[in-house]
Amino acid sequence: GQNIDQPTEMTATEGAIVQINCTYQTSGFNGLFWYQQHAGEAPTFLSYNVLDGLEEKGRFSSFLSRSKGYSYLLLKELQMKDSASYLCAAMDSNYQLIWGAGTKLIIKP
Amino acid sequence: ETGVTQTPRHLVMGMTNKKSLKCEQHLGHNAMYWYKQSAKKPLELMFVYNFKEQTENNSVPSRFSPECPNSSHLFLHLHTLQPEDSALYLCASSHYGESGANVLTFGAGSRLTVL
Repeated sequence: GQNIDQPTEMTATEGAIVQINCTYQTSGFNGLFWYQQHAGEAPTFLSYNVLDGLEEKGRFSSFLSRSKGYSYLLLKELQMKDSASYLCAAMDSNYQLIWGAGTKLIIKP
Repeated sequence: ETGVTQTPRHLVMGMTNKKSLKCEQHLGHNAMYWYKQSAKKPLELMFVYNFKEQTENNSVPSRFSPECPNSSHLFLHLHTLQPEDSALYLCASSHYGESGANVLTFGAGSRLTVL
């Protein structure tokens, strides 16, 4: 079956760095997405990786290893506004998105 | 308005009621989606419309009935729902294509409570 695993909840300190991991098992693979969802708001697109390696966008970076079925989202210089849920989704060979249950990130002062 | 707009934001209904959720996108996208989001569970894709044609129905119970009158509007008609249908219903849109990143733009959702 197809599956996405990511931690349910993580806690980090303002100004620090946090890495949110995601492992996936899909029938074929056409890319890995990360979305951010603040409580009561719409999920918003953060990143898309289809090739191995690290993609950097300001304070946020996303990494992919296709051979390991693994991705992570790295958040640097954490701010209180980064408190949110982070959703990992992999696209299978039929271009269908397989979603994880999301990681709730709590930032403490 | 820009982006994806969903109304109502909150809805409480009894099991015998009939109500509708509305979604509108102002992005010129050609695909629209309904997702169900329950606490601590992955997003569940319910329906997909590409160019107004329904291309996916993920074994959704018939008490949920989608309608897509044009590429900018999407409705979800609800009738005789069950308490377990209480959830956040998210609408999304995208430029549908079979290659490359199919980035979804989501609305803020309609929080449904079935009593």
